[in-house]
Amino acid sequence: GAVVSQHPSRVICKSGTSVKIECRSLDFQATTMFWYRQFPKQSLMLMATSNEGSKATYEQGVEKDKFLINHASLTLSTLTVTSAHPEDSSFYICSARDLNRKGPEAFFGQGTRLTVV
Amino acid sequence: DQQVKQNSPSLSVQEGRISILNCDYTNSMFDYFLWYKKYPAEGPTFLISISSIKDKNEDGRFTVFLNKSAKHLSLHIVPSQPGDSAVYFCAARRSDDKIIFGKGTRLHILP
Repeated sequence: GAVVSQHPSRVICKSGTSVKIECRSLDFQATTMFWYRQFPKQSLMLMATSNEGSKATYEQGVEKDKFLINHASLTLSTLTVTSAHPEDSSFYICSARDLNRKGPEAFFGQGTRLTVV
Repeated sequence: DQQVKQNSPSLSVQEGRISILNCDYTNSMFDYFLWYKKYPAEGPTFLISISSIKDKNEDGRFTVFLNKSAKHLSLHIVPSQPGDSAVYFCAARRSDDKIIFGKGTRLHILP
């Protein structure tokens, strides 16, 4: 149980275009999902918290107009990288907690490798 | 400000021996600490957690120790196996449910 699926796993896009990444909780409902970004050999940096039915909350230094988050249902959150530039190239990962589980752990998607050319 | 620190970027351990991965933190308000394992181009996989009110939690080959006074925790893997080779992330959960990660330690299990 507690499977989180992320799609696509890899995407290459041209500079100036937008890319949408989907995160789905397959066997549980998630009122909250989290979006992270990882640079090579670096930690997973929390970007934003996605809240079902309301606006996302962003960590300090993350541009909300650049990284649009929508949490339309209890099983789906999307991250759209708008007007992508090469510096947006990174590994993006989502996570969600199963509130029916006792433990504190969050479960992660497989990640999306974004390359902007 | 790095709230969760893993000061060893890599560690090599002989197969069958004990692997000890260390982690320090600065925020006394974390309520849980977690360890995740990650392979390249994949999301992290949850391994084990410990509540801030405990000092030890064991699950099979994995044991996590917490020393609150030193703001230090460690993950012990014994015996180490080849499949344990991966990057291990120490993480801590805040009261708002957000999980903060360290930079990770790459563990190499040597044959």
